Amino acid sequence: DVKVTQSSRYLVKRTGEKVFLECVQDMDHENMFWYRQDPGLGLRLIYFSYDVKMKEKGDIPEGYSVSREKKERFSLILESASTNQTSMYLCASSLPSGGVPVFFGPGTRLTVL
Amino acid sequence: AQSVTQLGSHVSVSEGALVLLRCNYSSSVPPYLFWYVQYPNQGLQLLLKYTSAATLVKGINVFEAEFKKSETSFHLTKPSAHMSDAAEYFCALNTGTASKLTFGTGTRLQVTL
Repeated sequence: DVKVTQSSRYLVKRTGEKVFLECVQDMDHENMFWYRQDPGLGLRLIYFSYDVKMKEKGDIPEGYSVSREKKERFSLILESASTNQTSMYLCASSLPSGGVPVFFGPGTRLTVL
Repeated sequence: AQSVTQLGSHVSVSEGALVLLRCNYSSSVPPYLFWYVQYPNQGLQLLLKYTSAATLVKGINVFEAEFKKSETSFHLTKPSAHMSDAAEYFCALNTGTASKLTFGTGTRLQVTL
């Protein structure tokens, strides 16, 4: 069974804290993604990585950074968390081709107080 | 630029009734199209995908979708709704060789007795 796992299902942080969201996939996929999901807005792409140490900004990268030191692991970093970053964060992975399935993790619901 | 529009943020049907969830897309190149389902507190699960092989695509749990280029649509249907179909459904597309997905805003399906 293919798997994308995320380090936490629920996370509560305070404004100004540095936050790390971790994602691991076991499918040897080149591509990995971080999406943010908000009611009425669907899923929006934050960052995308197509190889180790390679990254590309998505549609809403402001306030976020990413790290991919190993193929199976993709981290999302909130340098200084703010209340408007309270959201559901979904990690995903896929092979490097259009038309292929993208596999999603269970999500991390982050609350910033 | 590409985009996905899902008409109706909430759809309610009776158990046993036809399910119709609407999706229209905009793309300057031939798209790959997907439907994903999200059950409460879970990640996204692929229902079906269109990759230009056949315009009528069958997916899991008796769902199917028809690609209509002339109408730029990819509506999702199921002949008979079941209570377990209650979830949020997302239409998405990507193009070319990239696996990055552009999502619609989602449709929440409610199934009543």
